Parts: sequence; C-alpha cells; structure tokens
Amino acid sequence: QLQLQESGPGLVKPSETLSLTCTVSGGSISISNYYWGWIRQPPGKGLEWIGNIYYSGSTYYNPSLKSRVTISVDTSKNQFSLKLSSVTAADTAVYYCARRGWYYWFDPWGQGTLVTVSS
Amino acid sequence: QSVLTQPPSVSAAPGQKVTISCSGSSSNIGNHYVSWYQQLPGTAPKLLIYENDKRPSGIPDRFSGSKSGTSATLGITGLQNGDEADYYCGTWDSSLSAAVFGGGTKVTVL
Repeated sequence: QLQLQESGPGLVKPSETLSLTCTVSGGSISISNYYWGWIRQPPGKGLEWIGNIYYSGSTYYNPSLKSRVTISVDTSKNQFSLKLSSVTAADTAVYYCARRGWYYWFDPWGQGTLVTVSS
Repeated sequence: QSVLTQPPSVSAAPGQKVTISCSGSSSNIGNHYVSWYQQLPGTAPKLLIYENDKRPSGIPDRFSGSKSGTSATLGITGLQNGDEADYYCGTWDSSLSAAVFGGGTKVTVL
C-alpha cells in the first residue's frame, strides 16, 4: 500500500526558504504515468496546488508561485522535495504531498505538515 | 475566490441523499476530468471520485460523480454520521495552466 510522509521544519522565518521532503513507501517513485505533487491548505481555507514532478525530473509549477518554487526528486531515496523561497505569513499552511494521476487527480495524500511563517 | 464554485454547505438527515455541485467554465470542467475529495476533520483529503465518475478501490458506491457541460456533481446516498466532512472538487484549468480546486462544501448530517 503506497504511503507518503512529509517532513521538515514546522516554523520558518519571514523571507527565508521553506524546505519539505516527501518520502514514498510501499512503491517506487520511478513509475511511469504518475507524477508527484505538492498541495497546501492555509488554516481554515481551501486547497492550492503548488506543483508536480515526474521521476525523470520534469517539473510543472503553479504560475502564481512559479518564481519562488523548486521541486526536486531523489529516486535513490524514493523522495521528492519542495523549496519555497521568500516566504511570508501568507505561506502559512498545511503542506501535503500526493501522487498525481495523469488526469490531475491526487491519491494517496500524505498526512500533511503545518508550516508556520513567523519571526 | 476559487475558480470552481461550490456551495459552502449542505445538510440532510441520516439515510438521505445530498448532492454537491461544482461549477466552472470551458477552460476547466468543460474540457477536463473532474475529481472529488473528502476531508474529514483534522485529516488529509481522500480521493472519492476521479475522471468524473470513477471510484477508487474501497470507496463505497454510495458516492457517485457526474459531469455535464461546465458543471460536475457529487452525490452521497444513505448519508451516515461519518460522512460529515468537507468535500472538494478539482480539475485542470487550461487558461490558468494550473490544477484548481473548489472552495469546499461542508456536509452536515442532521
């Protein structure tokens, strides 16, 4: 059974870079026709897609965040990572990693990790 | 303001049926598959429906999805207390070049 788990600091200072890693277990990240994505949810609000990566390293980012986002993959560790630069309080959210299907459905999701941006 | 419009809340008694609408446009729902997610309080979203009307393994047939034009609908029959959650629709938007989600609908079991 495929499982995803987010890890990283829960507190980031304004203007710094948020860094999270998603570890995939129960299956290989190097699988054809699936992508690996990040989605976030500010407290009490809805879902926002951040971006995706294929195991080959091909990426696609939400244009609204593209200038600040980098997603990378480490197939040897079965992990993919998110970096979001120049964070502000508006980036405070629960960050989820998920496997993305060809037609932009997401399943399964990690349990999520709350990242707070505060000095 | 979400690109996809959902009602903020719906409610019904146990055993009844509820439907949740998701309204979009030709750049999203009109030309792309829709998925639906259930988010129980304090947990991660869970895929209920993908590619408009398909259920993943393990999802009961009380949950159904449909699409017509630029709108999609999630139906839940035989409503149970455990169905109290937030429900989100999602799809691709070719104008925004982004995956988009609805604002979410809270289902309350009376």
